[in-house]
Amino acid sequence: TQLLEQSPQFLSIQEGENLTVYCNSSSVFSSLQWYRQEPGEGPVLLVTVVTGGEVKKLKRLTFQFGDARKDSSLHITAAQPGDTGLYLCAGGNSGYALNFGKGTSLLVTP
Amino acid sequence: NAGVMQNPRHLVRRRGQEARLRCSPMKGHSHVYWYRQLPEEGLKFMVYLQKENIIDESGMPKERFSAEFPKEGPSILRIQQVVRGDSAAYFCASSPLAGARNEKLFFGSGTQLSVL
Repeated sequence: TQLLEQSPQFLSIQEGENLTVYCNSSSVFSSLQWYRQEPGEGPVLLVTVVTGGEVKKLKRLTFQFGDARKDSSLHITAAQPGDTGLYLCAGGNSGYALNFGKGTSLLVTP
Repeated sequence: NAGVMQNPRHLVRRRGQEARLRCSPMKGHSHVYWYRQLPEEGLKFMVYLQKENIIDESGMPKERFSAEFPKEGPSILRIQQVVRGDSAAYFCASSPLAGARNEKLFFGSGTQLSVL
């Protein structure tokens, strides 16, 4: 099993602040996905990155895949209460299974 | 445009009973994945199925667990003789494509199984 470590585990910030969460592994992945999961719901795919060094933007969210394809970061600018949720990264390779990290639980308070 | 439908949302079983979890993929999707999410743990892959075929069951416990995706009807994850350690949220995901590199994996809302 290829382990993905996410940090921090918990993050509580106020509306308007910026934040970055990390996803690290000692293994190389051919692709990496970020999901957001709300309580009682399934994960919702935010983005997939496949190229080392790739940067993708989704409104206030910026995703980066490390050059060596072992790590990724998610940066949120001017966080809003609607950004609250569990952020999961998941790495894939040639097989069918995605390896998920345990997630970063984000709370944005007004 | 219905998403992935899972039922029941909540299932309570006593130790030794059977649990059946159902998953109807998105329309047009023929690839179904089951994942389990234990408290304080990440999502763990269990099994990948296509219509009438189990493609990869490397994440399934060897005993008591089985899955199917018949030609007609939903995919079923079956757990026989449940134990307390089976308590978890079970998520189904569907995709129009095969493989972990696919960029179109849609998850259902999950079934929360509680074993008393």
